[in-house]
Amino acid sequence: GAVVSQHPSWVICKSGTSVKIECRSLDFQATTMFWYRQFPKQSLMLMATSNEGSKATYEQGVEKDKFLINHASLTLSTLTVTSAHPEDSSFYICSASGTGGNTDTQYFGPGTRLTVL
Amino acid sequence: RKEVEQDPGPFNVPEGATVAFNCTYSNSASQSFFWYRQDCRKEPKLLMSVYSSGNEDGRFTAQLNRASQYISLLIRDSKLSDSATYLCVVNTRGSTLGRLYFGRGTQLTVWP
Repeated sequence: GAVVSQHPSWVICKSGTSVKIECRSLDFQATTMFWYRQFPKQSLMLMATSNEGSKATYEQGVEKDKFLINHASLTLSTLTVTSAHPEDSSFYICSASGTGGNTDTQYFGPGTRLTVL
Repeated sequence: RKEVEQDPGPFNVPEGATVAFNCTYSNSASQSFFWYRQDCRKEPKLLMSVYSSGNEDGRFTAQLNRASQYISLLIRDSKLSDSATYLCVVNTRGSTLGRLYFGRGTQLTVWP
């Protein structure tokens, strides 16, 4: 079945640093990738949708200059949290859909837990 | 108003019990409905889709009432391994493609 990986699985960083999270589709071409954020005991909230080769579409309230998304290839999307602060600490999950596998399905990565000190 | 509302629980039940979760959604244009399961510190995983006619998968039964914009999940003969958070998910498209709306989840703990 279709597999989506994320790296790193967890990261701890100091306030003010930038953190890059990678999302890869391992056995299919992901034409669309989604980035979610989940705070403790809260629902997954969509941050942005990215289509390969074009700019990401951000949800209302999500700062595009703070959360940089790059979907440069059909198997890789990256989310960079710039100048991270403690309030950015969260569980970041990507998902992907596209050709191969079941094209009617969105596949989730295992998530990246970010802790900003 | 949130797109998807769920009772957060927690539900604590003994093994073998039957437990039911409910969910309501606000967008009448929603086309597809799902229950996902999320284990602690893990990504959500699709448990089952929900159809108007109701559908069953082993011990799990899902129901959809479009008129009331209400979705339910029934778990019979609960197992310890059923302990997780159950997410009600709604989509305006007829699949899991596109923008999914997640409820905050209902936490279930099954005890021996």
